[in-house]
Amino acid sequence: DQQVKQNSPSLSVQEGRISILNCDYTNSMFDYFLWYKKYPAEGPTFLISISSIKDKNEDGRFTVFLNKSAKHLSLHIVPSQPGDSAVYFCAASARNDYKLSFGAGTTVTVRA
Amino acid sequence: DVKVTQSSRYLVKRTGEKVFLECVQDMDHENMFWYRQDPGLGLRLIYFSYDVKMKEKGDIPEGYSVSREKKERFSLILESASTNQTSMYLCASISGGLRNTEAFFGQGTRLTVV
Repeated sequence: DQQVKQNSPSLSVQEGRISILNCDYTNSMFDYFLWYKKYPAEGPTFLISISSIKDKNEDGRFTVFLNKSAKHLSLHIVPSQPGDSAVYFCAASARNDYKLSFGAGTTVTVRA
Repeated sequence: DVKVTQSSRYLVKRTGEKVFLECVQDMDHENMFWYRQDPGLGLRLIYFSYDVKMKEKGDIPEGYSVSREKKERFSLILESASTNQTSMYLCASISGGLRNTEAFFGQGTRLTVV
């Protein structure tokens, strides 16, 4: 029973345009959300996070939006660059817990 | 920089072999995790540990065991490797001090069981 869902397996976007990745969750105990980026044959690297007390967090080209009532978060990448081509995982953790639950991932391809 | 190091990048093992995957972190983190990554399934939690000698089952522990004899080292053991355990294995650690902090991952071990 996957508690974190990324329903789009892939996304193709032109260089310079916006990439929008979506993530839904079912566990109402989740209060911390993260995005990770992963290249083939490497471990995931942390990108950006958001606590449930906020609805937006921004770091350079990356912005995460959280809609708690809809149990939905999204990652915006503006502008998209060729180096952004990777698999992006959404993750969440619950109150009083450290372990992360991950979505299935979205493969982003940035076209020149 | 936090460093999480997995002992092997690539491994090929035969069905029925006992396999050890080693993970070491250098930042004195209390919490360590083993995940496997499979296409379309994302990262699934196998086992985790919040302290030395402590271990807890994750979502898919069957066919695996773990060992945490020292704080910095967390080992994943495949008691009798099977072809359905062919996967990318990822070790992670998180500081036990603050909640709401990110996990740091190792580079991964691509295990093939033939």
